[in-house]
Amino acid sequence: GAVVSQHPSRVICKSGTSVKIECRSLDFQATTMFWYRQFPKQSLMLMATSNEGSKATYEQGVEKDKFLINHASLTLSTLTVTSAHPEDSSFYICSASQLGTNNSPLHFGNGTRLTVT
Amino acid sequence: SQKIEQNSEALNIQEGKTATLTCNYTNYSPAYLQWYRQDPGRGPVFLLLIRENEKEKRKERLKVTFDTTLKQSLFHITASQPADSATYLCALDPGAGSYQLTFGKGTKLSVIP
Repeated sequence: GAVVSQHPSRVICKSGTSVKIECRSLDFQATTMFWYRQFPKQSLMLMATSNEGSKATYEQGVEKDKFLINHASLTLSTLTVTSAHPEDSSFYICSASQLGTNNSPLHFGNGTRLTVT
Repeated sequence: SQKIEQNSEALNIQEGKTATLTCNYTNYSPAYLQWYRQDPGRGPVFLLLIRENEKEKRKERLKVTFDTTLKQSLFHITASQPADSATYLCALDPGAGSYQLTFGKGTKLSVIP
């Protein structure tokens, strides 16, 4: 149980275009979803926290107008990288916490490798 | 600010031996500490969670210790196998209903047959 599906797994886009990444909890309802970015040999860096039906909370240094997050339901959150640039190339991972649990481990998607050319 | 360090970027051990990975932290008092496994190009997978009032937790061949005085957690894999080769991440969990984990950079473990 507790599967998080992330799509697409890989995407290559041209500089200036926008890319949308989806994160779905398949067999549970997610109170909160998190978006991380991971550069090679670096730790996962939290970008933003999203709760269903409310605005996302962004970490310091993360541009909310560039990384648009929508958490429309208890099973779906999306991250849109707008006007992508080569420096946005990274591994983006979502995670979800299960509704009704307290400090349970997070369930992670398998990530999206974004390459901006 | 809080800091979390996994002392070894990489660790190579012989199959059958016990692998020991270290996680140290400063300027923080986590309620929980979690360990995850991450394979290349994949998201992390949860392994174990240990609470601040627990000294040790076991799950099959895995053992985690948590010393809040030393601000350190040790992660052991006994009778290691090549399939255990992966990057292992520790994460600080503040508790109190917050799910915002702070991750270390990870230790890449290679188990040599």
